[in-house]
Amino acid sequence: DTGVSQDPRHKITKRGQNVTFRCDPISEHNRLYWYRQTLGQGPEFLTYFQNEAQLEKSRLLSDRFSAERPKGSFSTLEIQRTEQGDSAMYLCASSLARGRWTEAFFGQGTRLTVV
Amino acid sequence: DQQVKQNSPSLSVQEGRISILNCDYTNSMFDYFLWYKKYPAEGPTFLISISSIKDKNEDGRFTVFLNKSAKHLSLHIVPSQPGDSAVYFCAASGTQGGSEKLVFGKGTKLTVNP
Repeated sequence: DTGVSQDPRHKITKRGQNVTFRCDPISEHNRLYWYRQTLGQGPEFLTYFQNEAQLEKSRLLSDRFSAERPKGSFSTLEIQRTEQGDSAMYLCASSLARGRWTEAFFGQGTRLTVV
Repeated sequence: DQQVKQNSPSLSVQEGRISILNCDYTNSMFDYFLWYKKYPAEGPTFLISISSIKDKNEDGRFTVFLNKSAKHLSLHIVPSQPGDSAVYFCAASGTQGGSEKLVFGKGTKLTVNP
């Protein structure tokens, strides 16, 4: 399967703990995005990378959140001192920047539950 | 401020009939629009897209129409099949503004009844 891969699929953590999620994009894709989706809402943009450079961050991404894409391939999203409000589906997507318009392909997501 | 709006939370149609899902946007900088389909516990799956230089794009049973003056787009599925039952998200991006992010609506849950 050469689609976007996310790990883990599910994570249950206690409030105050740190969690880290991993995303492996489609191999030739140079853009990688993180989104968060809560019940009844559409995906909300968190941040995106072009190669290893983090080009845009949402104000939703508080200082407890950090994302990296160290070699322009896989990416990690870390949440420190988790809160119950962080419970959501975290989605990763990738795209190949060519020309002006490009579609993003999503992984299956990591469902985080903070108890 | 919801820049992309899907005002119908749900839609139910009979198998074989047409499904029409609607989406409105407010940001005139948006110039690329996409539809995604999402099944429970899965990530969104790309369905079809349209750029602002077109007013229609067709792919098999799926057609997207764009009315820029009304800031409105719609997805037509014909004929509808039970396997089309899913949540459909409209998304938009504004590449001219330098932002590559997609802004999503809240989704419309489509149910196709056999």
